[in-house]
Amino acid sequence: TAGITQAPTSQILAAGRSMTLRCTQDMRHNAMYWYRQDLGLGLRLIHYSNTAGTTGKGEVPDGYSVSRANTDDFPLTLASAVPSQTSVYFCASKKTGGPTDTQYFGPGTRLTVL
Amino acid sequence: GQNIDQPTEMTATEGAIVQINCTYQTSGFNGLFWYQQHAGEAPTFLSYNVLDGLEEKGRFSSFLSRSKGYSYLLLKELQMKDSASYLCAATDSNYQLIWGAGTKLIIKP
Repeated sequence: TAGITQAPTSQILAAGRSMTLRCTQDMRHNAMYWYRQDLGLGLRLIHYSNTAGTTGKGEVPDGYSVSRANTDDFPLTLASAVPSQTSVYFCASKKTGGPTDTQYFGPGTRLTVL
Repeated sequence: GQNIDQPTEMTATEGAIVQINCTYQTSGFNGLFWYQQHAGEAPTFLSYNVLDGLEEKGRFSSFLSRSKGYSYLLLKELQMKDSASYLCAATDSNYQLIWGAGTKLIIKP
């Protein structure tokens, strides 16, 4: 079982360009999440989706958008990248949106915005 | 506000025991998770506590005190492969995880 896959593994992007980070899970999990991880800071939630067709804003949503057209895919789009969006991005999923389920993480995408 | 505090870095010796502490303040509380993250890799689940007390899983144990807003992760018989960051995360009233910055554990031979 693949679990959660993310693409690309890493990317260098010019400021002002747009980009979509892909995330796919094969565990039939209902809830999916996008986090960014920066040195010295905890994982910060960007957007989430508790079930296909719904999305919500996390702690740091500005400059990012998401969609959840089906259960498996949860792409994250940067419409016009800025250097402060340089980070490692992790996608995660869990069985339901409830509090006790474990979140499982993808391998991450390392993004550098110049 | 919501806050998770844990030490930035700890050093321990192979074969020894180490305790990593975490204090939390969240709007509502629905349990506490510990994850392990090796450098350059994704976080992986270690433990979940929602009731007060100690949960033991092999060499790793996790403790929770809800009244004190406090948890710790105890690692016994340390091995070199335990060198990693350990992330504490509390589930808030919206069922979202609030994450600490992580504790980098360095194991010396």
